[in-house]
Amino acid sequence: NAGVTQTPKFQVLKTGQSMTLQCAQDMNHNSMYWYRQDPGMGLRLIYYSASEGTTDKGEVPNGYNVSRLNKREFSLRLESAAPSQTSVYFCASSEGPVGGAKSFGAGTRLSVL
Amino acid sequence: DQQVKQNSPSLSVQEGRISILNCDYTNSMFDYFLWYKKYPAEGPTFLISISSIKDKNEDGRFTVFLNKSAKHLSLHIVPSQPGDSAVYFCAASGLDYGQNFVFGPGTRLSVLP
Repeated sequence: NAGVTQTPKFQVLKTGQSMTLQCAQDMNHNSMYWYRQDPGMGLRLIYYSASEGTTDKGEVPNGYNVSRLNKREFSLRLESAAPSQTSVYFCASSEGPVGGAKSFGAGTRLSVL
Repeated sequence: DQQVKQNSPSLSVQEGRISILNCDYTNSMFDYFLWYKKYPAEGPTFLISISSIKDKNEDGRFTVFLNKSAKHLSLHIVPSQPGDSAVYFCAASGLDYGQNFVFGPGTRLSVLP
């Protein structure tokens, strides 16, 4: 009963490098989300996917791309990392497309130097 | 300009007493609200939700109250337990926001034994 699994847990990048954060859920949820959390702030939505095959921008999508690979997996890609993308990233899921995220992964702590 | 405010960065309560966490919002279009708790190095955990058609919702030890005219909601935890020590976030959304919930900055609750 893993819930939402994110990899990696920690990553250090140099400015300009690219990387993909992976997320998978085993709860048969339809909707998946990517958030970032900066120190002293609440979570901000980067992208979400209401169902397989659909993605929508959230509050802070610039500099990110996403892929809803299948119902289980939702990846977040940084094409050219910037120091402003230093943050903790959370993937989340929910059964339906309304009512917000219900299950979260443990987070990926990303530092961009 | 913060649309969702949690004006108390921290709160300490004795075990067994009531914890009251407050949240204010500025956008009158918000009509659905969530509360999450978050332990260090873990993802948030969904606690309870409330829609603007209700003014109260209960789930076990957790009760959320909504005062639409004051644009204020509060989370009551009774009785408080040491395991409740965490950061609590409220989040709000409305028709124009969809799944893009706006989070407050959080309140750190410490329940003292």
